[in-house]
Amino acid sequence: EVQLVESGGALVQPGGSLRLSCAASGFTFSSNWMHWVRQAPGKGLVWVSRMSSDGSSTNYADSVKGRFTISRDNVKNTLYLQMNSLRDEDTAVYYCARGYKYAFDIWGQGTMVTVSS
Amino acid sequence: DIQMTQSPSSLSASVGDRVTITCRASQSISTYLNWYQQKPGKAPNLLIYTASSLQSGVPSRFSGSGSGTDFTLTISSLQPEDFATYHCQQTYSTPYTFGQGTKLEIK
Repeated sequence: EVQLVESGGALVQPGGSLRLSCAASGFTFSSNWMHWVRQAPGKGLVWVSRMSSDGSSTNYADSVKGRFTISRDNVKNTLYLQMNSLRDEDTAVYYCARGYKYAFDIWGQGTMVTVSS
Repeated sequence: DIQMTQSPSSLSASVGDRVTITCRASQSISTYLNWYQQKPGKAPNLLIYTASSLQSGVPSRFSGSGSGTDFTLTISSLQPEDFATYHCQQTYSTPYTFGQGTKLEIK
């Protein structure tokens, strides 16, 4: 079964750090661009970051540039999002998603990040 | 950044109705437009990619059209399981932006 499973979400204080993981299975992970998308409570979807299949290329939303770092381990079939200098406005469910044919065809179940003192 | 505007923001309809949701881009995005369905507490599910291609496993009552700046998602005959929130997304250029969502409710 093709699936993505996120983990690592937690309650963290403003200014803190967190690393999210996304474990992939059921497909050749090293063949696909991968993305992070977030959704604040009751709000819409916001694209956060993407990484190329071989890890050589990355892009970020302006709102997280310089604070978040996307990475991947194609041996462990895992995508990561290192989040530093967290702010209240980073509170959201974070989804990882597989890129395919210019769309996101497989999504994880999401992991909740809450930034609050 | 490319802004995506969906209309309406919410819609009430009945089972069996034909429903159309529109999405407008702030600049031309060719056909790099996708549609997702999201139910409460769940991840989005891809319905249509590149404006008009039906994702595998998605019922044929869903269809998409458009190019350039104006796009539509049509559900030909609403089923009970279709009541959800629908999101459009452009993948023409990063940052990949989504519309604000259209909540489809039962009348």
